[in-house]
Amino acid sequence: KAGVTQTPRYLIKTRGQQVTLSCSPISGHRSVSWYQQTPGQGLQFLFEYFSETQRNKGNFPGRFSGRQFSNSRSEMNVSTLELGDSALYLCASSLGSGSMHNEQFFGPGTRLTVL
Amino acid sequence: GQQVMQIPQYQHVQEGEDFTTYCNSSTTLSNIQWYKQRPGGHPVFLIQLVKSGEVKKQKRLTFQFGEAKKNSSLHITATQTTDVGTYFCAGPLVAGNMLTFGGGTRLMVKP
Repeated sequence: KAGVTQTPRYLIKTRGQQVTLSCSPISGHRSVSWYQQTPGQGLQFLFEYFSETQRNKGNFPGRFSGRQFSNSRSEMNVSTLELGDSALYLCASSLGSGSMHNEQFFGPGTRLTVL
Repeated sequence: GQQVMQIPQYQHVQEGEDFTTYCNSSTTLSNIQWYKQRPGGHPVFLIQLVKSGEVKKQKRLTFQFGEAKKNSSLHITATQTTDVGTYFCAGPLVAGNMLTFGGGTRLMVKP
């Protein structure tokens, strides 16, 4: 089975721009979660989608949004970029949603740099 | 607020020495998971513990889940250079909710 794929792998943007990141989960996985990883804050949960519905949301401003399509692929969008948004954005897929079935399979991440 | 804490933040060991990282949750967890992230890589699932007092072994790695299901530990016996990376614990602070990750313990092994 192919693993989780994320595109693009690297991205450079300037403050005020917006960005869209894409994630394709492992075939058969219906849950997709997004995380922001920075050296100072570690792995921070952004949101989780399951069957096209947002199931959980982390403590991030409304500039961060996401969606999931019927084929389970997911996108996240960050509008009005700030310098502090520079981070590795990781997508993870799992079979189900909920605490007992959420072994996360992570993608390679998208490294976003905001100048 | 509710959180998952890990200590130590960093650990340098000589190859062959043992290593332990500890994870503590502010709330009782239904389960706890452990991940390893190699430098430049992404987190990779190692194991999930579900039962109170559970102990699981994977070769040189031993994972424990506390009796109160609020703490966990990962012990590596006789570290090797291939063990280098950051080890994260993660658990759902609210039942059925998303995973909250600890801050991680970065392990460095001197050959």
